[in-house]
Amino acid sequence: AQSVTQLDSHVSVSEGTPVLLRCNYSSSYSPSLFWYVQHPNKGLQLLLKYTSAATLVKGINGFEAEFKKSETSFHLTKPSAHMSDAAEYFCVVSRTYKYIFGTGTRLKVLA
Amino acid sequence: KAGVTQTPRYLIKTRGQQVTLSCSPISGHRSVSWYQQTPGQGLQFLFEYFSETQRNKGNFPGRFSGRQFSNSRSEMNVSTLELGDSALYLCASSHGTGDQETQYFGPGTRLLVL
Repeated sequence: AQSVTQLDSHVSVSEGTPVLLRCNYSSSYSPSLFWYVQHPNKGLQLLLKYTSAATLVKGINGFEAEFKKSETSFHLTKPSAHMSDAAEYFCVVSRTYKYIFGTGTRLKVLA
Repeated sequence: KAGVTQTPRYLIKTRGQQVTLSCSPISGHRSVSWYQQTPGQGLQFLFEYFSETQRNKGNFPGRFSGRQFSNSRSEMNVSTLELGDSALYLCASSHGTGDQETQYFGPGTRLLVL
């Protein structure tokens, strides 16, 4: 069965420092993986997606993620956090036309 | 292109009532999926419609139902509302042709059951 595990429910970083949000997946075949962001009282916005074309995926707003099959991971990174990055982030695996969401990581950015 | 729209944005109902939520997908998209988001359970898949047919279903009771019209607009109905149905209901649309597709989400309908 497909699943994703987000290893941290909360992450705090200082503005200007790197961001790392961790996601491990479980899949019996090559998965389609996504990262979405949800700002307070808003819907979900796609940050990036992995579809086997390249292991390093670049997304919007300076985010990127690396697919590592050997580690079954798809961690989200950003070199320098901005205050506007404070939000909840979801790792998602897609299976038969439905999304399976991780439990979310709430990112706090400190001034 | 206009994004996914959901109406109404906010709704207050009482236990035992029923509610209908509406979702208009991005033009050209034939797949509409519904998700429930709660603080306790997170984001959970309800069902997906493609070309007016339910193609996939999550693990929700029969009180939750949906339908899709020929113009791809979709409605979701919850009957005999319970307090635990209070949630943000998100709709997403896509072309519906594969797992690699991106789903585009609407802003959600926030339902409060009193």
